[in-house]
Amino acid sequence: ILNVEQSPQSLHVQEGDSTNFTCSFPSSNFYALHWYRWETAKSPEALFVMTLNGDEKKKGRISATLNTKEGYSYLYIKGSQPEDSATYLCAFITDSSYKLIFGSGTRLLVRP
Amino acid sequence: EAQVTQNPRYLITVTGKKLTVTCSQNMNHEYMSWYRQDPGLGLRQIYYSMNVEVTDKGDVPEGYKVSRKEKRNFPLILESPSPNQTSLYFCASSLSAGYTQYFGPGTRLTVL
Repeated sequence: ILNVEQSPQSLHVQEGDSTNFTCSFPSSNFYALHWYRWETAKSPEALFVMTLNGDEKKKGRISATLNTKEGYSYLYIKGSQPEDSATYLCAFITDSSYKLIFGSGTRLLVRP
Repeated sequence: EAQVTQNPRYLITVTGKKLTVTCSQNMNHEYMSWYRQDPGLGLRQIYYSMNVEVTDKGDVPEGYKVSRKEKRNFPLILESPSPNQTSLYFCASSLSAGYTQYFGPGTRLTVL
């Protein structure tokens, strides 16, 4: 059974702090890795799709890196704001079946 | 407006009474998928479809059926619902496997 792990499970930071989360996934049969942002009472929204080892993606204050050889991805938020409070999910897609396997997420709370 | 729609949004039913949750997308996407979300477990893929008439099991397919007769629709069928299928269900679609998933608004199902 393929497993995707995210850490930490939850994180409380002050407004203005920078933070980062980890997504660990199997290093074999890699096809793509997704990051999603999920606010309470809404649907998950895509942040990044990453496919190549060494990929770095950026959207405003949020960026992500990918290491497919060792099986991890980092999501960084620079200068966290209260509106960044959400659960951040990563999803791993294998090249053998094209199933999506989600991690259980990192819940971020940014205090004003 | 490009979107994924699900109906109903909320449903309370009783054990054994067959039900269908509809999912429709207007983006001409090939890949469609159903997930359930349970506390502490994140999103788990139930079934997915790579294209019309092509469906595959995700990680938790037991007790569910799907069909993909048309590209835009991907209904989820519970032939004999049980209380352990009480959950929040999301439908999603993407251009193809590995691409950004666009999620529907979710269906909250309670089986008594």
